[in-house]
Amino acid sequence: GEDVEQSLFLSVREGDSSVINCTYTDSSSTYLYWYKQEPGAGLQLLTYIFSNMDMKQDQRLTVLLNKKDKHLSLRIADTQTGDSAIYFCAESRQGTYKYIFGTGTRLKVLA
Amino acid sequence: SQTIHQWPATLVQPVGSPLSLECTVEGTSNPNLYWYRQAAGRGLQLLFYSVGIGQISSEVPQNLSASRPQDRQFILSSKKLLLSDSGFYLCAWRGGNIQYFGAGTRLSVL
Repeated sequence: GEDVEQSLFLSVREGDSSVINCTYTDSSSTYLYWYKQEPGAGLQLLTYIFSNMDMKQDQRLTVLLNKKDKHLSLRIADTQTGDSAIYFCAESRQGTYKYIFGTGTRLKVLA
Repeated sequence: SQTIHQWPATLVQPVGSPLSLECTVEGTSNPNLYWYRQAAGRGLQLLFYSVGIGQISSEVPQNLSASRPQDRQFILSSKKLLLSDSGFYLCAWRGGNIQYFGAGTRLSVL
């Protein structure tokens, strides 16, 4: 199928690390993305990783890609209350103009 | 730099009324353009995408249509809205391998 799956909710304490997981289905995916959506707003690109990479780090964000298991994760270090939002993973598929989005994970950061 | 504009931000419409949502992109030419719908608490559903003027691909059969009358303009329309058309509508454009999103339109059909 075309599903990109994510857990629906994650709750962490301020200052802890958050890990948001995603599984995708298409092994031909070329790029994988993480977007952040704050309430009532559009999606903001956080980071992306090319499919030939295993890891990408960008300040507090670390993306890990396991192609064998088709598993993508986003780790947010030192999570802050401003990180509370919905996080979407997405994949782009080779040879198409389409992007497939996950169902989104709602991250709640407790002060 | 490139920017994407969507309007209106919020819309309340009665069942059976027409709809027109507009999206424009500045600072780029011949972008791929997309319309998504996000139902409350749900993920994104791709409705339409366009790779050029007058070229529209529809992803799901529905009560909506899309048009691209100009290179950087993408319009989402309906002749008669249904209750089930309520949701958050997002326009996006593709630059390189990245999709960039507008701020969205919250549509409530009553």
